[in-house]
Amino acid sequence: EAQVTQNPRYLITVTGKKLTVTCSQNMNHEYMSWYRQDPGLGLRQIYYSMNVEVTDKGDVPEGYKVSRKEKRNFPLILESPSPNQTSLYFCASMTGQYSPLHFGNGTRLTVT
Amino acid sequence: KNQVEQSPQSLIILEGKNCTLQCNYTVSPFSNLRWYKQDTGRGPVSLTIMTFSENTKSNGRYTATLDADTKQSSLHITASQLSDSASYICVVSARDAGNMLTFGGGTRLMVKP
Repeated sequence: EAQVTQNPRYLITVTGKKLTVTCSQNMNHEYMSWYRQDPGLGLRQIYYSMNVEVTDKGDVPEGYKVSRKEKRNFPLILESPSPNQTSLYFCASMTGQYSPLHFGNGTRLTVT
Repeated sequence: KNQVEQSPQSLIILEGKNCTLQCNYTVSPFSNLRWYKQDTGRGPVSLTIMTFSENTKSNGRYTATLDADTKQSSLHITASQLSDSASYICVVSARDAGNMLTFGGGTRLMVKP
């Protein structure tokens, strides 16, 4: 089944403890991206990647890192999480400019 | 700066009724416009994608229209069902090599029995 898989679905952590949220797609998509969604603010892009080894900042990249060493995986790294990074995170992928964006089921992160 | 504005922010309708959601954008150069449906706590799901030359596109009871001259789009839902309760997000793609997608804030639709 074609899908974008994020793990974990839920994560509770403490301030400053490094964490990684994984994202994998099995559709051979070139474009992948990360979003956070907060109440009243809609989806905001964190980072995106047009292809392997090519990443770029979105609208809210501060406090996050990404890597794209292989086409299928696009992990989101929080080196030193803070409470303002408590949010619902989505990974997404698509083939190209005219194809639909496929979203994962989300990761709900709480930083205390 | 590229922007996408959606209205209304929220809407309550009775089951079986029709409704129309609006999207205005200032994205340039324009490539395509998408509508997504997002159930609470889940990832958005694509409903339609329209390019510059397309005025209307349907997906079951969902019909999207696009007026590229006025930079407006609408999503019309016919004979609403309880399962239509969700947020509807308008996303506009720009024709450049950088950050391609601009998201609207969404319209939260509630369909009541």
